[in-house]
Amino acid sequence: EIVLTQSPGTLSLSPGERGTLSCRASQSVSSSYFAWYQQKPGQAPRLLIYGASSRATGIPDRFSGSGSGTDFTLTISRLEPEDFAVYYCQQYDTAPFAFGGGTKVEIK
Amino acid sequence: QVQLVQSGAEVKKPGASVRVSCKASGYTFTGNYVHWVRQAPGQGLEWMGWLNPHSGGTNYAQRFQGRVTMTRDTSISTAYMELSGLRSDDTAIYYCARAMSYAEYLTHWGLGTLVTVSS
Repeated sequence: EIVLTQSPGTLSLSPGERGTLSCRASQSVSSSYFAWYQQKPGQAPRLLIYGASSRATGIPDRFSGSGSGTDFTLTISRLEPEDFAVYYCQQYDTAPFAFGGGTKVEIK
Repeated sequence: QVQLVQSGAEVKKPGASVRVSCKASGYTFTGNYVHWVRQAPGQGLEWMGWLNPHSGGTNYAQRFQGRVTMTRDTSISTAYMELSGLRSDDTAIYYCARAMSYAEYLTHWGLGTLVTVSS
């Protein structure tokens, strides 16, 4: 079973700053089978990135994903007020399709 | 547009079962998969399994094996998730989500169904 570990647990940033979120897998994951989701309080998660680096429909280009093997990164180039939320990574390479524990991006 | 409409909140006693429904619209129900994900209060996301609405085939996460059953009614484009032997730590929001295949990202999510297990 693949375990995903996200870091940091909480990221305190100001609007306009760059955010870098990490996700490490306990074993290699095909980059074709890696996603990032955003979740705001009281809402369902929303797909941001799939295939490690492809943006989902309607996702602004300030969001970008990268990585391969066991290390993946979500970068938010300039934080907008609506970007403060919790972000989860997920691998869908090998069942069970685990999620990471999440990174909360909060306003500094 | 794609919509997944889930059933309302449930309160159950320990040991009981709960069935959550997920009605799909805006796409071909039998041409995609339905995954179920749950989230305990203040916690992260936990993948439970998938359902192939076309064949009825399923794949459950090991930790739910023997307690979870995912089914569908294609005549009304609805997927179901039943969890038995409920415990207090099953208290969570249960989400259904659409995926193009069994090993695919989750493109659309329902709003979630809160299941509370309490004596």
